Amino acid sequence: AQKVTQAQTEISVVEKEDVTLDCVYETRDTTYYLFWYKQPPSGELVFLIRRNSFDEQNEISGRYSWNFQKSTSSFNFTITASQVVDSAVYFCALSEVEQGSYIPTFGRGTSLIVHP
Amino acid sequence: DAGVTQSPTHLIKTRGQQVTLRCSPKSGHDTVSWYQQALGQGPQFIFQYYEEEERQRGNFPDRFSGHQFPNYSSELNVNALLLGDSALYLCASSLGGLGSEQYFGPGTRLTVT
Repeated sequence: AQKVTQAQTEISVVEKEDVTLDCVYETRDTTYYLFWYKQPPSGELVFLIRRNSFDEQNEISGRYSWNFQKSTSSFNFTITASQVVDSAVYFCALSEVEQGSYIPTFGRGTSLIVHP
Repeated sequence: DAGVTQSPTHLIKTRGQQVTLRCSPKSGHDTVSWYQQALGQGPQFIFQYYEEEERQRGNFPDRFSGHQFPNYSSELNVNALLLGDSALYLCASSLGGLGSEQYFGPGTRLTVT
C-alpha cells in the first residue's frame, strides 16, 4: 500500500519569509513518481513538479525548490521569499509504477497562508 | 488554448437521486481521470478513461460509473446518491496515463441533502 503524509495541516507566514512544506511517503516499489500540486481557492489543482524515483537531483524553479531524499522517503517543497499569491493548499502525491496502475495517492494537503 | 472545463460548477441533489457531471479535456489530450475531493482532504482517484474505455479504477463502488466520448470528453455518473458523496469532483486530462502530467479542471461542487 502506498501512503503520503503531509504532517503540517496549516502554515502561516509573513510575506518574504521562506517556507518549507514537508512530504513523507511510503511505498514498497522501487519505481514511482512523486508530484506536487497547488490548489488555490478557485479549486483547480495546478501541477508544479513530477519526479521519478531514480532522479534524486534537487530542482529549482524560480522561487520554488524541491528536495528529494530517498533515504528518508521525503520530497519537501520550499518557497523562497513567499508572496501573498502563494496562499493556497499544496498537495504531495505518489504514483506507484511497478504494479502498473499508476493510481496516485494524495496527501491531505498543507494550507499555506501568506500575510502581507 | 482552452484548458480543462467542467460543468456544472455547483449542484445540489437529494439522497437517492442520480447525477451526471461533465468534463472536456485540454485540447490534444486523450485521457480523462476523475477524482473526488472531500472537504479538507486530498483528491481520491475514481477512474480513468482512455479510448472510450475505463482503464484504471480506484476504490469506489459501482454506483460510480463513467463514459468517454469519441471527442475525448467524459461524463461521471453517480447513482443512488448518499450524503457522503458530497464533495468537489475534479476532472483531469493528460496525454497518456496517470504517470503523465495531468491538467485539472475547476471541479464541480456536489452537495447531497
